[in-house]
Amino acid sequence: DQQVKQNSPSLSVQEGRISILNCDYTNSMFDYFLWYKKYPAEGPTFLISISSIKDKNEDGRFTVFLNKSAKHLSLHIVPSQPGDSAVYFCAVDSNYQLIWGAGTKLIIKP
Amino acid sequence: DTGVSQNPRHKITKRGQNVTFRCDPISEHNRLYWYRQTLGQGPEFLTYFQNEAQLEKSRLLSDRFSAERPKGSFSTLEIQRTEQGDSAMYLCASSRMTGGLFNEQFFGPGTRLTVL
Repeated sequence: DQQVKQNSPSLSVQEGRISILNCDYTNSMFDYFLWYKKYPAEGPTFLISISSIKDKNEDGRFTVFLNKSAKHLSLHIVPSQPGDSAVYFCAVDSNYQLIWGAGTKLIIKP
Repeated sequence: DTGVSQNPRHKITKRGQNVTFRCDPISEHNRLYWYRQTLGQGPEFLTYFQNEAQLEKSRLLSDRFSAERPKGSFSTLEIQRTEQGDSAMYLCASSRMTGGLFNEQFFGPGTRLTVL
């Protein structure tokens, strides 16, 4: 049973437009959510996070939205740049471990 | 380079052989984690250490797997009698426990294991 789901394996977006990556989770007790970014041959790197007491967190071009009632979070990237092409993972911080989605491969087209 | 390092980066072995991976965390980090990632999936938690103490092990970590972190510094992950199902990317991460809401985990590049 997947506790964190990313239903889109890939997403293609034109450079300069908005990229929206989605994530759903099953446990309403989760209280800290993260997005990681991964380039080929590298480990994941932390991108942005949000606590369950908030519904939005913004960091430059990256904004994460949390909808607790729907158990859904999304990552918005505006404007999208070629260097944003990577695999994006949604994860939940469950005390000592991270529980991950399967990832979405984002491709930014020039 | 002060990031998390892992060695080797790639390992090809025959079924039934033992393999050992090493992880060197960021020096001031007291927590160290091991994850396994298979193709098309996100990483799955295996185990974690706080200093030299192994505090939690996933049920994914069968008896063939053992991890150590002597002296609370580097860590090793050993797989005995490897099986083809062990083929995966093994990721190591470290973090500094700050007592805050979230302790960011910093990941190494991983060790890719292929069992023939």
